[in-house]
Amino acid sequence: GAVVSQHPSWVICKSGTSVKIECRSLDFQATTMFWYRQFPKQSLMLMATSNEGSKATYEQGVEKDKFLINHASLTLSTLTVTSAHPEDSSFYICSARDIGGSKNIQYFGAGTRLSVL
Amino acid sequence: DAKTTQPPSMDCAEGRAANLPCNHSTISGNEYVYWYRQIHSQGPQYIIHGLKNNETNEMASLIITEDRKSSTLILPHATLRDTAVYYCIVRGDMRFGAGTRLTVKP
Repeated sequence: GAVVSQHPSWVICKSGTSVKIECRSLDFQATTMFWYRQFPKQSLMLMATSNEGSKATYEQGVEKDKFLINHASLTLSTLTVTSAHPEDSSFYICSARDIGGSKNIQYFGAGTRLSVL
Repeated sequence: DAKTTQPPSMDCAEGRAANLPCNHSTISGNEYVYWYRQIHSQGPQYIIHGLKNNETNEMASLIITEDRKSSTLILPHATLRDTAVYYCIVRGDMRFGAGTRLTVKP
């Protein structure tokens, strides 16, 4: 299947700092990428939908000024957690929809584990 | 938008078939059924998808009822590495439900 690379795989940062997470589709183009957050023993929660060249659409309750999303090209979307706090510690996962394929299959990155001290 | 209902957990003996059900009674005519699985601390892995007809690939088979209100994912010969949370999704925007935690036992 198609490959989505997510970097970094884990990060530890101090409270108040910002962290950027990259999501790349390696062998296909993706006009739409999705960002999820997952807490322990819970399902994935959709945070936002990122469309190339336009503003992201955020889910209700997700602060757009805290979770900055940029989708500047057909193969790259970034999520920046600004002024991170311990409650932002979570597993963040991106996915990309293959526009060249059929039936809207989405492929997921391996996830980024964020720990805010 | 369609929602899905899955049993929270299931067990399966190694080497036997694992049949994971999913109810999606509000599915609309043009919505596909997708199945993903998530092994602990990893990103979800695509398994299979279908619209009306039954589908089979190297990983699994997908059986969709004629009225499309439910489906079953079949892992024909489950192995210990198939232990994971399995998600059935029918929404194009890929919102996840709680999924089914499948445990394959020796």
